[in-house]
Amino acid sequence: KNQVEQSPQSLIILEGKNCTLQCNYTVSPFSNLRWYKQDTGRGPVSLTIMTFSENTKSNGRYTATLDADTKQSSLHITASQLSDSASYICVVSAMWEDTDKLIFGTGTRLQVFP
Amino acid sequence: DTEVTQTPKHLVMGMTNKKSLKCEQHMGHRAMYWYKQKAKKPPELMFVYSYEKLSINESVPSRFSPECPNSSLLNLHLHALQPEDSALYLCASSHDLQVAYGYTFGSGTRLTVV
Repeated sequence: KNQVEQSPQSLIILEGKNCTLQCNYTVSPFSNLRWYKQDTGRGPVSLTIMTFSENTKSNGRYTATLDADTKQSSLHITASQLSDSASYICVVSAMWEDTDKLIFGTGTRLQVFP
Repeated sequence: DTEVTQTPKHLVMGMTNKKSLKCEQHMGHRAMYWYKQKAKKPPELMFVYSYEKLSINESVPSRFSPECPNSSLLNLHLHALQPEDSALYLCASSHDLQVAYGYTFGSGTRLTVV
């Protein structure tokens, strides 16, 4: 069964600290893996996208890693800011019948406090 | 223009009303999507349009009726909805069904059915 699991479900950190979010997936055939940031009541905003051959990708203070062998990804946030408070969703794509289908994780809810 | 624009941002409707949600993009994307998202859950795919033709209908009740008048515009017509249909409705677009890059979400319409 194609699944994307994220941990932790929720996380509280202090402003300025670093944190790492985890994503494990069982999706086949793998096409790509994306991390999205979603503020409450808003649409998801893309942070990174990685294909099978990419191990790491950065977007400012966000760095995503991908281990295609173990089917794991992580999102590292450096020097967190209050505006980082949001849900972070790991999304894995699988190519089925000529369509790139997205499989969503349930997200990690991050709260950054001053 | 790298955005997907959704209107209205908020909508409150009665169970006997007819309303429409609108989604627009000018990125030249030929695939457009409707998702439904309940609180603290990942988005659920409803419909997929490819080159203005309905490609996927994920067994959505007929009280939701999609329409793609042209390559830039996607509508979702609503009629006789139930309170449990209250959710965030997200539109997304991508280059086409087979291209991983460029998958962009709109900011959503918060729908409340009373």
